[in-house]
Amino acid sequence: DAGVTQSPTHLIKTRGQQVTLRCSPKSGHDTVSWYQQALGQGPQFIFQYYEEEERQRGNFPDRFSGHQFPNYSSELNVNALLLGDSALYLCASSFRGRWQETQYFGPGTRLLVL
Amino acid sequence: GDSVTQMEGPVTLSEEAFLTINCTYTATGYPSLFWYVQYPGEGLQLLLKATKADDKGSNKGFEATYRKETTSFHLEKGSVQVSDSAVYFCALSDDQGAQKLVFGQGTRLTINP
Repeated sequence: DAGVTQSPTHLIKTRGQQVTLRCSPKSGHDTVSWYQQALGQGPQFIFQYYEEEERQRGNFPDRFSGHQFPNYSSELNVNALLLGDSALYLCASSFRGRWQETQYFGPGTRLLVL
Repeated sequence: GDSVTQMEGPVTLSEEAFLTINCTYTATGYPSLFWYVQYPGEGLQLLLKATKADDKGSNKGFEATYRKETTSFHLEKGSVQVSDSAVYFCALSDDQGAQKLVFGQGTRLTINP
């Protein structure tokens, strides 16, 4: 049973560029959440997708957007990259139908903005 | 809003020492509480969780008890190993079923042989 997978593993971009990160949830999961983890910090919630719609959003600007596909996989898009967007981006999946369901995390995509 | 505060690290111990990492939280309602562990270069792995007051979560020799009266969820292990070296994160999710996690800042643990 494959866990949560993310691609790519590493990415280098320059300021002003756009980036797309991808996530495939664990089998049986229908909800995908994205987190940003800056170096030396705890993960910060970006947003959550369920039934192909954004259901919750953290305190992140509109430059951060996402999408969920019918197969439950998800993309995170960041436009107009800033140096401060350099971080590890984590995807987590869960099944919404179970109360307080555990979220399972992928290995992350490490983004470096130069 | 909800928040989690962990004891500041880094924490360095010798093998077989007793470990405590403090975690306190602020939340409305009755959140669920989690400890996640992050090994070098990897994502987060769930270590243990507790969903209601006085519940004790345990896994791999680690334990934590959900104390509502002190709003705490301290992580303990009786005898640490070198392989326990990692960063540990305390987290909560609200009781509304939103499944959004709020994390503490993390505590880096190093175990010396």
